[in-house]
Amino acid sequence: GQQLNQSPQSMFIQEGEDVSMNCTSSSIFNTWLWYKQEPGEGPVLLIALYKAGELTSNGRLTAQFGITRKDSFLNISASIPSDVGIYFCAGQGSNFGNEKLTFGTGTRLTIIP
Amino acid sequence: SQTIHQWPATLVQPVGSPLSLECTVEGTSNPNLYWYRQAAGRGLQLLFYSVGIGQISSEVPQNLSASRPQDRQFILSSKKLLLSDSGFYLCAWRGGVNTEAFFGQGTRLTVV
Repeated sequence: GQQLNQSPQSMFIQEGEDVSMNCTSSSIFNTWLWYKQEPGEGPVLLIALYKAGELTSNGRLTAQFGITRKDSFLNISASIPSDVGIYFCAGQGSNFGNEKLTFGTGTRLTIIP
Repeated sequence: SQTIHQWPATLVQPVGSPLSLECTVEGTSNPNLYWYRQAAGRGLQLLFYSVGIGQISSEVPQNLSASRPQDRQFILSSKKLLLSDSGFYLCAWRGGVNTEAFFGQGTRLTVV
């Protein structure tokens, strides 16, 4: 099945720093999605990417769909306390059965005061 | 606008008891529906997905089953819960392939 490797697993940063995380896939994806999850809640969509090479921003967040279609990254600029949470990438493959959405293992972001 | 409802929010059930979690979507028709499970501090594991009424695809063999009796209703069930069924269960919907997925608020299930 499809495998998504997300890194880093966790990050401890100071407020104001920039953050970068990425996901790589063992196969080609048609769609990359980035989510944020806070404790006890469902994931909330941050950015959706549909074309190889696409670069999309949402406020201080920027994500890119890798040109090989096997990777994606998410950057957060000038982090603030409310950025704390777990960030997940998700991808949809290009093969038969592409109704499935596979999730990465998550990046836990902690901001040190 | 579309909304997704999932209930209950929390559930404590004894081992061996049955389970029924319900998910409904409003404001759209013929959505793709998904059930995920999330262990504490872990990622999301796809359990079942459905592209239409009565159509269920299972991703992993387990003690659970899913049903889709109506277009916008997705139910996760078990006849006899195991301790290992504890976790955070999330329902999600999509308008189709190559679209975003939107999640419900989740159900925290504790089997005791």
